[in-house]
Amino acid sequence: SAVISQKPSRDICQRGTSLTIQCQVDSQVTMMFWYRQQPGQSLTLIATANQGSEATYESGFVIDKFPISRPNLTFSTLTVSNMSPEDSSIYLCSVGRSSSYEQYFGPGTRLTVT
Amino acid sequence: TQLLEQSPQFLSIQEGENLTVYCNSSSVFSSLQWYRQEPGEGPVLLVTVVTGGEVKKLKRLTFQFGDARKDSSLHITAAQPGDTGLYLCAGGRSTSGTYKYIFGTGTRLKVLA
Repeated sequence: SAVISQKPSRDICQRGTSLTIQCQVDSQVTMMFWYRQQPGQSLTLIATANQGSEATYESGFVIDKFPISRPNLTFSTLTVSNMSPEDSSIYLCSVGRSSSYEQYFGPGTRLTVT
Repeated sequence: TQLLEQSPQFLSIQEGENLTVYCNSSSVFSSLQWYRQEPGEGPVLLVTVVTGGEVKKLKRLTFQFGDARKDSSLHITAAQPGDTGLYLCAGGRSTSGTYKYIFGTGTRLKVLA
C-alpha cells in the first residue's frame, strides 16, 4: 500500500482565481492520477500525471484549465484555473504501481467556488 | 460515457441481511477493483481481481470477476452497520500505452441497526 497526503484538505475560493492542490506519496510510485468527484457520486478521471512529461488528459479536460505537474515519483500538483462555481467538487489524487493493479487514494480536497 | 454500470444505485437493509451489488460493462478489463468510501474520505481499496472467474473472500465479503472479465459482483453476508458506505467498482486497462481505471456509477449502502 501507500500513504498519500493532499493539501489543502478543503478551500473556499472566489470565481476567477486559481487553486493548486498538492499530492505527496510516502514511496516512489509509477502511476499517479487525478480524479474529480461530486459529493455522493462516482469518480471521473481528469488525467494521468506522467513523471517528466506532460500529463495525459481525459476527454472533456484540458491542460489550460487543469495544469498538472509531476516533478518526481512521489509528488504531483493539480491546478484548477480560472475557477467557476461548476468547479466545486472533491479532487482526489491516487497512485498505483505497474507491478500490481492496485490503486490507493488520498483523502481528497473539497473545493467550493463562490 | 459511463462504461461501468452498478446496480442497485441505492440499498437500505436491516442488520444481518445479505446483499449483492453488481458491476456490469460491455468492455473487457484486465483488472477489476472494489472500493468502499465513507463521507469525507478517499475510496479504500477492498480487493483486486485479475483472472476471469476469480473469486476472492474478505471476511463477510465475496467478490467475483466474470468469466469474460466484463462484470463483477460483491456479496455481503450478514451485513453490519459498519458496512454502510459508497461502494465503487473500477475497471483497469491499458489505453494508448497508459494504464488507467474507469469507475462504476456507485452503490450507496445503508445498513440499519
